[in-house]
Amino acid sequence: GAGVSQSPSNKVTEKGKDVELRCDPISGHTALYWYRQSLGQGLEFLIYFQGNSAPDKSGLPSDRFSAERTGGSVSTLTIQRTQQEDSAVYLCASSSNRQGLNQPQHFGDGTRLSIL
Amino acid sequence: GDSVTQMEGPVTLSEEAFLTINCTYTATGYPSLFWYVQYPGEGLQLLLKATKADDKGSNKGFEATYRKETTSFHLEKGSVQVSDSAVYFCALISGFQKLVFGTGTRLLVSP
Repeated sequence: GAGVSQSPSNKVTEKGKDVELRCDPISGHTALYWYRQSLGQGLEFLIYFQGNSAPDKSGLPSDRFSAERTGGSVSTLTIQRTQQEDSAVYLCASSSNRQGLNQPQHFGDGTRLSIL
Repeated sequence: GDSVTQMEGPVTLSEEAFLTINCTYTATGYPSLFWYVQYPGEGLQLLLKATKADDKGSNKGFEATYRKETTSFHLEKGSVQVSDSAVYFCALISGFQKLVFGTGTRLLVSP
C-alpha cells in the first residue's frame, strides 16, 4: 500500500489477556520500528527491525512484550498478560535505508490499546 | 544518552502571527534532525528534516535550521493559520537508528 498500515485501529481487552498488533510497512522499506505513545511517557522507542532481524530490542519494557517480522515485511507486536499500564497508542514506522542510514521514518495511524 | 528538549506548550497564537518552537538536542556523533506533526485525531507526519549542520529543512511554510554550534533545531513559520493547530515533535536519529523524541509542543491558533 501507499503508507504504513496498522491493525486493529482500536483494541479493548481485559487485564491478563494477550494481544497481537499488526504492522504492514511501506512496500520496499527494509527497516521497521515500533514505538509507544502514552500520556505519561510521551513517545518511546520499543524495537527496530532491519529485514527480519532485530538489532535493537532495548525499548521493550518487559519480557511480556515480543515482536517478530517475517518475510522482511509484516510485523506483529505481542503483549502477553496485559496490564493496565500497557494502555497506550502503539505506533509502527518504516524507512528505506537504500540512501544510507538515518532516513526519515514514516508512521502508521497507530493502534489504540485500552486495558480494562 | 541522546535526548531532545523542546519548549513546553501550549503555544497560543492568533492567525497570521509568527511562530517559533524551540528545540535543542544532545547526541553523540552527527544526528539527523526532524520535526513531526500530529494533527488532532491523526497519526504522526514528517514535517521537515535536516541531515547535517547548516542544512535548512522546509515544508508548508515551516522552516528549521540545523545549528551544530548551539545544538538547536528551532521550528519557525512566518504566518500561522488555524489549520496549523496540532502537536509538534522535534526528534533526532543518531547511530542507533531509533527516533528520540521531545515531549511535543501543542500549538493552538485562533482566528
